[in-house]
Amino acid sequence: GAGVSQSPRYKVAKRGQDVALRCDPISGHVSLFWYQQALGQGPEFLTYFQNEAQLDKSGLPSDRFFAERPEGSVSTLKIQRTQQEDSAVYLCASSNVDEQYFGPGTRLTVT
Amino acid sequence: GENVEQHPSTLSVQEGDSAVIKCTYSDSASNYFPWYKQELGKRPQLIIDIRSNVGEKKDQRIAVTLNKTAKHFSLHITETQPEDSAVYFCAPYNFNKFYFGSGTKLNVKP
Repeated sequence: GAGVSQSPRYKVAKRGQDVALRCDPISGHVSLFWYQQALGQGPEFLTYFQNEAQLDKSGLPSDRFFAERPEGSVSTLKIQRTQQEDSAVYLCASSNVDEQYFGPGTRLTVT
Repeated sequence: GENVEQHPSTLSVQEGDSAVIKCTYSDSASNYFPWYKQELGKRPQLIIDIRSNVGEKKDQRIAVTLNKTAKHFSLHITETQPEDSAVYFCAPYNFNKFYFGSGTKLNVKP
């Protein structure tokens, strides 16, 4: 079946621009996670949704980061006024119980 | 929160040898213990997992062992092949959150 998909796969933004990253989870998966992965590092937790409810956003690095999942399926991670330190791969993952499956990620480069 | 340590950070083995990667964690509430494989430029992929009521699980050439008392779990790969070369992450789970280790870069030399 279809796995987790993300778009765009690559995004170049000028410093100060806003970006929106999309995640399509596996159909029927209740849980959705966003991670930030810097080069050579493990994924760092950003936020977690159970259906449409954002139950944990403790990993969001600043108030410039905002995530939503209004209908309990597709999710969007928005970064306002991007900074160079936001450059990373943003991974989305979905799960039903605990087995987690990742999307291919969006590589964000802020110039 | 959870404190996760993974060792070694790099591991180089000859093809056909075994490889073992260890993950220690701090929170006794963790109840699910997966290992992920990430090849360069690709997404992390779940390769094996174990739940807290089981001590060992095997799937062909890979196995995971869990010691809940000591709070560590290990990934074992036997008869390594060049395609096993990748970065491996442990990610103990509790309270709806996965805590990723810093990764182990495995290099299998032909």
